[in-house]
Amino acid sequence: AQSVTQLGSHVSVSEGALVLLRCNYSSSVPPYLFWYVQYPNQGLQLLLKYTSAATLVKGINGFEAEFKKSETSFHLTKPSAHMSDAAEYFCAVSAINAGNMLTFGGGTRLMVKP
Amino acid sequence: NAGVMQNPRHLVRRRGQEARLRCSPMKGHSHVYWYRQLPEEGLKFMVYLQKENIIDESGMPKERFSAEFPKEGPSILRIQQVVRGDSAAYFCASSPGVQNNEQFFGPGTRLTVL
Repeated sequence: AQSVTQLGSHVSVSEGALVLLRCNYSSSVPPYLFWYVQYPNQGLQLLLKYTSAATLVKGINGFEAEFKKSETSFHLTKPSAHMSDAAEYFCAVSAINAGNMLTFGGGTRLMVKP
Repeated sequence: NAGVMQNPRHLVRRRGQEARLRCSPMKGHSHVYWYRQLPEEGLKFMVYLQKENIIDESGMPKERFSAEFPKEGPSILRIQQVVRGDSAAYFCASSPGVQNNEQFFGPGTRLTVL
């Protein structure tokens, strides 16, 4: 069984500040981990993914995430927030032996203040 | 290369009616996943299909919900005798295969039950 916990349903940062969105996972097998972004009334767009290669993963729009097995974490960061980063962010886990179905966290809404 | 297409984008039904949601996967993708997003919640897996086969329907409600992915044509998620609690956004995702774990999401169908 797999599960994902996103700490903080709402995160607010100032433009230009560091963005840190937290994700902890639970998986009985080596996981694949993903971060998706969802803009209002739109579908999900993949930001980045971890599939057992490099533990530091770089994605689109300046985001990156680090897989830490010892902490079962996959936190998402961006050095400098931009107004256009305001959206809902979802962390997800899957496993190849589970048909690759995604288990999502509850989401974190990121607000960026000018 | 067109992305995952879903239609309709918005669907309004009265209680007791049937809802049919369609998903056309990306070209070359033979794996389809359906997810449901209730208001203010993350996405929950419903069903995983390959052409003409249901692989995993562990997330589907036992009654009123069904899904298919015929040899020709789009995948269909069918909800019979809709109730207000079915109001949600329904997302379809497609993947080229189990070995490639990335899923590409459609824009979703927002179902409102009056």
